[in-house]
Amino acid sequence: EIVLTQSPGTLSLSPGERATLSCRASQSVSGTYLAWYQQKPGQAPRLLIYGASSGATGIPDRFSGSGSGTHFTLTISRLEPEDFAVYYCQQYGSSPLTFGGGTKVEIK
Amino acid sequence: EVQLVESGGGLVQPGGSLRLSCAASGFTFSYSDMHWLRQAPGKGLEWVSYITYSSSPIYYADSVKGRFTISRDNAKNSLYLQMNSLRAEDTAVYYCATDAGGNRPYWYFDLWGRGTLVTVSS
Repeated sequence: EIVLTQSPGTLSLSPGERATLSCRASQSVSGTYLAWYQQKPGQAPRLLIYGASSGATGIPDRFSGSGSGTHFTLTISRLEPEDFAVYYCQQYGSSPLTFGGGTKVEIK
Repeated sequence: EVQLVESGGGLVQPGGSLRLSCAASGFTFSYSDMHWLRQAPGKGLEWVSYITYSSSPIYYADSVKGRFTISRDNAKNSLYLQMNSLRAEDTAVYYCATDAGGNRPYWYFDLWGRGTLVTVSS
């Protein structure tokens, strides 16, 4: 099973700042089959990025993904007030599917 | 509006049963492969089960195999999860989600519901 470790656990930033979230895999994720999701309290998770770097439909271009192998990054170029949330990575290249433990982006 | 709405959660004793439902609207449910996932309190997300648009094949996580049964009724735009022999470790918010794939499953999820809480406790 591929274990995904997200860091930091909590990121304290101000609106307008750049956020860089890390997702590290215990073994290589085949085919860059990695997705990122955003989750706000009481809301459904929302798909942001798939294939490590492809933006999902309707996602603002301030969200970008990069990486391959065992290290992936989600970058939010300029934080908007609505971006403060928890973010999860998920690998779908190997069975079983696995998720990271999440990074909470909070207002500083 | 495109949405998924889960229902059927609640408090159940260990060893008990519960049936979750997921109502789909705003898209062609009968063409969509579907999943159930869950999130235990304070924990990360866990995939639970998958069903194709035609109800075959079906897959389960090892943690629920033999106890949970996924099914769907395309005429009612509904997905179900029958949960038997429930354990304390099954306590979680349960989400239904659509598979992002078309002709084949992609195994990531492009539409989620808000979830329904299942608590297994005596």
